[in-house]
Amino acid sequence: QQQVKQSPQSLIVQKGGISIINCAYENTAFDYFPWYQQFPGKGPALLIAIRPDVSEKKEGRFTISFNKSAKQFSLHIMDSQPGDSATYFCAASTIYRGSTLGRLYFGRGTQLTVWP
Amino acid sequence: KAGVTQTPRYLIKTRGQQVTLSCSPISGHRSVSWYQQTPGQGLQFLFEYFSETQRNKGNFPGRFSGRQFSNSRSEMNVSTLELGDSALYLCASSSGQGMNTDTQYFGPGTRLTVL
Repeated sequence: QQQVKQSPQSLIVQKGGISIINCAYENTAFDYFPWYQQFPGKGPALLIAIRPDVSEKKEGRFTISFNKSAKQFSLHIMDSQPGDSATYFCAASTIYRGSTLGRLYFGRGTQLTVWP
Repeated sequence: KAGVTQTPRYLIKTRGQQVTLSCSPISGHRSVSWYQQTPGQGLQFLFEYFSETQRNKGNFPGRFSGRQFSNSRSEMNVSTLELGDSALYLCASSSGQGMNTDTQYFGPGTRLTVL
């Protein structure tokens, strides 16, 4: 059973446009929500992460919006560039004594293509 | 700082064989996690080791096992390989404790093909 549901499966955006990827979860014990970016032949790399005590976090062109009551969070990529073309994964975890105990629950991924 | 390294990068095995994959974490990291990535199931957690002890475990059969050495390097073993074990096996390292978000850093993975 998928603990984190991610949509859409694929996304095509024009250069300069906004890419939006959505995730939803059921486990209210989750309190750490990272987003990972993966290029072909590479492992996932952390993009940005959020804790439930804030509703939004921005780092450069990347913004996470978090809605605790709806148990949803989303990634917005502003001014999307061809170099952003990759697979994006949302994830969730609990934190115990400052650690995830190594376990992240991942969404199925969104393949983003940005047309030049 | 060097990143997470995994060896070998590619492996081809036949059904029934066993395989051992290796992971060297980022220097200073004491936690190593293993994940299986497949097109059908996505990224699934196998287990995590911290200071040579398995601290967390996912829902995989006992054919999947691991260990961690005193230098934090980790190995994962799969015995009696099945066709469905064909996947990208990813290793991730983190500090494992005391950090608010305990970021996991992934290696490039080992691509295992079972024929």
